[in-house]
Amino acid sequence: AQSVTQLGSHVSVSEGALVLLRCNYSSSVPPYLFWYVQYPNQGLQLLLKYTSAATLVKGINGFEAEFKKSETSFHLTKPSAHMSDAAEYFCAVSDGGSTGNQFYFGTGTSLTVIP
Amino acid sequence: KAGVTQTPRYLIKTRGQQVTLSCSPISGHRSVSWYQQTPGQGLQFLFEYFSETQRNKGNFPGRFSGRQFSNSRSEMNVSTLELGDSALYLCASSPRTGPYEAFFGQGTRLTVV
Repeated sequence: AQSVTQLGSHVSVSEGALVLLRCNYSSSVPPYLFWYVQYPNQGLQLLLKYTSAATLVKGINGFEAEFKKSETSFHLTKPSAHMSDAAEYFCAVSDGGSTGNQFYFGTGTSLTVIP
Repeated sequence: KAGVTQTPRYLIKTRGQQVTLSCSPISGHRSVSWYQQTPGQGLQFLFEYFSETQRNKGNFPGRFSGRQFSNSRSEMNVSTLELGDSALYLCASSPRTGPYEAFFGQGTRLTVV
């Protein structure tokens, strides 16, 4: 079975500080991993995805994530937080196709950016 | 390219009624998935349709159903609404089924009173 665990339901950082949002996955097969962002009253927007091509994945808006198989982690980082980064972030895993496009989402991390 | 379009954006229904939500995927996308988002349960997979066939179904009662048309547009229906069905319903489209990124619509906010 696939699952992801997001550590920390709320994270606060100062503007300009490093953003680190944690995600650990559980997968019986090589996983496909995704990070999505959700702004209030909006749908989910894809930030980046890992599909085994490279362990360091760069996404939009300056975000990146590193796949670490030994730690079963896929943490999201951004060197310098901006006020516009305040949102809910979701990590998701897909098993690679046997169950179609079913994603298993984490419980989300709400990011607050302090001016 | 237009994004995923969900209609309506907001709905208020009474317990016992039924509701139909609509989703138009990105042009050329053949896979449409539906998710329910609630504060308590988070994002939960409802079902996925690909080429008019239901490919996978989540753990929801039979009151939740869906279909996909030949133009890839999809509808989901919830019958005999319960208060607990109040949620944001999100539709996502992908070029094809498999481990591809999903593009989400803005959702339909359903409130059951």
